[in-house]
Amino acid sequence: DAKTTQPTSMDCAEGRAANLPCNHSTISGNEYVYWYRQIHSQGPQYIIHGLKNNETNEMASLIITEDRKSSTLILPHATLRDTAVYYCIVRVGNQGGKLIFGQGTELSVKP
Amino acid sequence: DTEVTQTPKHLVMGMTNKKSLKCEQHMGHRAMYWYKQKAKKPPELMFVYSYEKLSINESVPSRFSPECPNSSLLNLHLHALQPEDSALYLCASSQGWGEKNEQFFGPGTRLTVL
Repeated sequence: DAKTTQPTSMDCAEGRAANLPCNHSTISGNEYVYWYRQIHSQGPQYIIHGLKNNETNEMASLIITEDRKSSTLILPHATLRDTAVYYCIVRVGNQGGKLIFGQGTELSVKP
Repeated sequence: DTEVTQTPKHLVMGMTNKKSLKCEQHMGHRAMYWYKQKAKKPPELMFVYSYEKLSINESVPSRFSPECPNSSLLNLHLHALQPEDSALYLCASSQGWGEKNEQFFGPGTRLTVL
């Protein structure tokens, strides 16, 4: 699996968009980008995933650069409940279920 | 029901004790997972079960013994643990292996080994 690099921590004002970057410069053509988050004292929660096209769901948007070497998770209107550790994971789509978590980004949403 | 439940929430055990962690899901998922998470660290995969058969063991010490008695249940039997095994143990499940098969996580069991 390709390695990912994320900032250790970020702050965001409540109501503003939170943009969380992830570098995955060694990503292979068949590897997807997945995002999970872990709110304190809870299990991780799936957010979104994509291969090469931008993706949007009810939680977030995922923007993947054309060369696929980096991506950005966007929470359009961050709330205090979005305070969590956000993990960017790269893996082959049918790779037997393995999720290799990196260190993640600790996002603090402040009033 | 999109919930993975884990019991107990907290467990304190001595190094000579035998205990078990339990995980349950009723989403019809055929893949189930155990992860270990130390404080301030990301989760680390321990075991993967597919269709009730162990498919991945990430070189976990034998003092951790997984069991999948049926498609809804996953146990982790603990014996002769060390204090460094104290951690949050997370269970997860997914429909299968494919791209869209997101993993659903339980809240975890916080284990303390004295």
